[in-house]
Amino acid sequence: GAVVSQHPSRVICKSGTSVKIECRSLDFQATTMFWYRQFPKQSLMLMATSNEGSKATYEQGVEKDKFLINHASLTLSTLTVTSAHPEDSSFYICSASQQGDYGYTFGSGTRLTVV
Amino acid sequence: GESVGLHLPTLSVQEGDNSIINCAYSNSASDYFIWYKQESGKGPQFIIDIRSNMDKRQGQRVTVLLNKTVKHLSLQIAATQPGDSAVYFCAENSSGGKLIFGQGTELSVKP
Repeated sequence: GAVVSQHPSRVICKSGTSVKIECRSLDFQATTMFWYRQFPKQSLMLMATSNEGSKATYEQGVEKDKFLINHASLTLSTLTVTSAHPEDSSFYICSASQQGDYGYTFGSGTRLTVV
Repeated sequence: GESVGLHLPTLSVQEGDNSIINCAYSNSASDYFIWYKQESGKGPQFIIDIRSNMDKRQGQRVTVLLNKTVKHLSLQIAATQPGDSAVYFCAENSSGGKLIFGQGTELSVKP
């Protein structure tokens, strides 16, 4: 079945630094990638949608200059949290889908802690 | 972002009982719905899906019911087991293919 690999699974960084999270589709072409953020005891909140080769579309209230999304190939999307602050500490999850397919495959998530 | 839940509701059941988890979705134009199971520290795991042209779909020990009139989904788990303890989310395929998650319910199974 379709597999999405997300890396790293956990990361701790200092305030003011940037962190990159990678999401790879291992056995299919991910024409669309989605990035979610999840705070403890809450639901997954969609941050942005990216189509391969295009600029990402951000949801209302999500700062595009802070959360940089790159989807340069059909198998790789990255989310970079720039100038991270403690309030950015969260669980970040990616999801990928193929064109014409209703299925969504999720990564295993990245626990980001900003100290 | 869309559809952020605030403090998950909980459902506690006895092992062997049936569980029913409910969800209200927001977009009447959504045409595809999915139930996910999420264990602590992990990504969502697909359980079962249903398209809007159906009102019921069954899987192994799970059944999803869709009521488009009131925009309501339910997940029924038969003979609930301790391994079913997790947080369950419904999700709807909204405009532009975006998958929007509902509030979620924390299921606790007592042995």
